[in-house]
Order: sequence, then structure tokens, then C-alpha cells
Amino acid sequence: AQSVTQPDIHITVSEGASLELRCNYSYGATPYLFWYVQSPGQGLQLLLKYFSGDTLVQGIKGFEAEFKRSQSSFNLRKPSVHWSDAAEYFCAVLHNFGNEKLTFGTGTRLTIIP
Amino acid sequence: AAGVIQSPRHLIKEKRETATLKCYPIPRHDTVYWYQQGPGQDPQFLISFYEKMQSDKGSIPDRFSAQQFSDYHSELNMSSLELGDSALYFCASSLAFVGSGELFFGEGSRLTVL
Repeated sequence: AQSVTQPDIHITVSEGASLELRCNYSYGATPYLFWYVQSPGQGLQLLLKYFSGDTLVQGIKGFEAEFKRSQSSFNLRKPSVHWSDAAEYFCAVLHNFGNEKLTFGTGTRLTIIP
Repeated sequence: AAGVIQSPRHLIKEKRETATLKCYPIPRHDTVYWYQQGPGQDPQFLISFYEKMQSDKGSIPDRFSAQQFSDYHSELNMSSLELGDSALYFCASSLAFVGSGELFFGEGSRLTVL
């Protein structure tokens, strides 16, 4: 079964510093991968997604992610974080088109320090 | 743009009571998904409906039932509530078979069982 693993439960970075959140997937074929962000008490907002093609995907809010098949990874990056980026970040994998059931990773909580 | 609407946003119930959560998908979306997110947990898939028929089932307790109505809104009914049912319940909607793979999430309904 498809699954994603987020090895980092909690990450703290300084405002203005670069960020990389890790996500590893387990799936035999090409996975459909997503990154969602959840602010405290809020719903899930899609940052970006990867289906095929260019392995570097641009998303909203200045985020990007790179799909690396050789490493089974889909890490999320941002060159310079802002205090408003503090949130919970979830990597997710789609099971199949037509039934868009997502399996989420356990999430990474991002804390931004001044 | 219209988003997924969930009601109520907050609900407090006693053990063994019954609760009903409602979800209004984005207009013209034909698929609805329910997820449960416990405190500090990742969202877990409960159940989904496509064109008013159950399309997939996850880790949904037998005490829970759901349906999708002719206007595509969905309701999640939870009976004999337990303390462990306290969670944030998300509804998401999508338009099946268009290949976008994207689920649009509501802001969630927070259920507290006392």
C-alpha cells in the first residue's frame, strides 16, 4: 500500500532562513504526491502537487518541492521563511485518480523564531 | 470562489450521545470525503461518496454512518459517542475523473466529547 513518511516531527528555523521538510514515499509505480499546510485550528490548504513531468514543482507561498525517484523522496523547500509559515505540514500520497483518497504522513510542525 | 462548507464548526457532546456533522461540497463537485484528525495526529480517511454512492471506506467505526444526498451534501452521523471520538473532522470534495487529483478541504468540525 502507498504510504508516506515524514521523519521530522518538529522543526525550528529562524525567520529568513531556508527550510527543507522531508517526505519519503513507499510506492511501486510513480506516486501522486502532495504537500498540505494546516495552520492552528484551520483546514488543510494545498501547497503543491506532483503527478509527472518536471520533478521540481512550484507551489503557492514561495514553496517548491523536488521529486527524486532514486531517493523515494518529495522534500518541501522554501528559500526564506516568514513568521506566517509557522504551521503543520503534511505530505500525502494519492491512491488513484477517480477516487482521490489521500494517505497523509504524520506531519511536521514548523516553528519560526525571530 | 465557493469553498467546502462544514457545520457546525464546534460541537460539544456527552458520552453516549449522538452527533451529526454536515458538509456542503464545492458546487459541481461530485465526490465527498470524510477525514478524522485526532489531537496531534494526521488526518485519517473515514469514508467517501461518489454520486451519492459510497465509493470507499476507511477506518470508520460501526457507530458512525454517512450518506450523500441528492444535492451532493453529506452528513456524518456518530452515535454512542466515546471520549476517543473527540477530534477535528474534515470534509473534502473533488470532481472525480478530471485528473486533477486535488481535494478541497473544509475548515473542519471540532467535536469534543465530555
